[in-house]
Formats: sequence, C-alpha cells, structure tokens
Amino acid sequence: DQQVKQNSPSLSVQEGRISILNCDYTNSMFDYFLWYKKYPAEGPTFLISISSIKDKNEDGRFTVFLNKSAKHLSLHIVPSQPGDSAVYFCAASARNSGGYQKVTFGIGTKLQVIP
Amino acid sequence: KAGVTQTPRYLIKTRGQQVTLSCSPISGHRSVSWYQQTPGQGLQFLFEYFSETQRNKGNFPGRFSGRQFSNSRSEMNVSTLELGDSALYLCASSFQRDYGYTFGSGTRLTVV
Repeated sequence: DQQVKQNSPSLSVQEGRISILNCDYTNSMFDYFLWYKKYPAEGPTFLISISSIKDKNEDGRFTVFLNKSAKHLSLHIVPSQPGDSAVYFCAASARNSGGYQKVTFGIGTKLQVIP
Repeated sequence: KAGVTQTPRYLIKTRGQQVTLSCSPISGHRSVSWYQQTPGQGLQFLFEYFSETQRNKGNFPGRFSGRQFSNSRSEMNVSTLELGDSALYLCASSFQRDYGYTFGSGTRLTVV
C-alpha cells in the first residue's frame, strides 16, 4: 500500500518555465514532508521540507505547498533550469507507536528541463 | 565534513549467498536508516537505527537484518540472496528530521 503517491512518473518542462511536481498521501498521521532530488549514480539529496503546521515553505527557486485537507503537496521550481533535471522524491514522516519517526518515500518523478 | 560513506559501491553475488553492506554516517549523526531502491518501487524503507537500537522496521522478510555499532557505523546483512534482491541499497544519516536525511551514494547489489 503506497502511502505516498507520485502519480506522474515523468515531466518535461521548458527552461525558464515553472515545474510543478505533485504528491498525494493517505496517512493522516504524517506531520512532516520532504522533497529529495536524485541524480543518476548518486544518493538522493535533501531539497526542502515543510511541517504540517504550515502550508508553504520557500527556499530560493523552490517552494513547497501543503494542502492538508486534500492530503496533497507540491513542489514548484521557478524558473526551471537544465541542472534541475533529476528524479524528485516526495517523502513523508510520521511517528511510530514508539514515538520514533519513520520516513516513507514515493516512487519518484523524473523531471526533464529542456534547454 | 565527510558525507555518508557506503561500501562497497558495487557487488555481484550468487543466489543463496549472503552479503553485508556497510555505512558510515556523517560525524555526529546518530540515526542511520537503510532503503532499497528498485525501478518502479521508489525507496522502500528497511530499518532505522539510533544509538545501536533499531527504532523502526519496514516490511521486509527476516533475511534482511542490520545493526549499528557504538561509533554509529551501521551494517546491513541479507542472507539467502534471491534474484529479486538486486537493487540499489541506500544508507542515510540524520541529526534531526528538520534537516532531512543525508544519503550515501549507495551499494549496487546484483544477484545472479
């Protein structure tokens, strides 16, 4: 059962335009959300995060929006650059019964930014 | 500051064998998590260790095990390897979740 869903396996965007990557989740206990970027032959790199008490977090060209009622979050990249071409993973964190966090990842969306 | 180091980078094993993968976290990080990445499955959580104690476990069979040492280094063991165990195994360490995980480059395991 995929608790974190990235329904778009791939996305192509023109350089300079906005890239919007979407993520849906089913577990209402998730209280912290993260985005990671992964280049081939490298481990994922932490990009940006958002707590469930917020609905927006911005860091430079990257903004994450959280809609708790819809159990949906999105990552906006503006403007998109060719170096942004990578696989983007959405992740969500919840505390287990012992009080320790467990992070669940989606399957990723491959973003291609076309020069 | 050194990143997360995983060894070896590549490994080829025969079905039925066992394998041990190693992970050295960033200095000062006491939490180490392991993930399996396969095409179409994303990052599947294996387990998490903190101060030598397993705090979380994913839905993998008992053939997958791990441990953490007093210096926070962690090892993951897979016994009786199956072809389906071929994957990229990623280790990640964290100081606290607000700063996210730092991942290593992974160990690419191929079972033949």
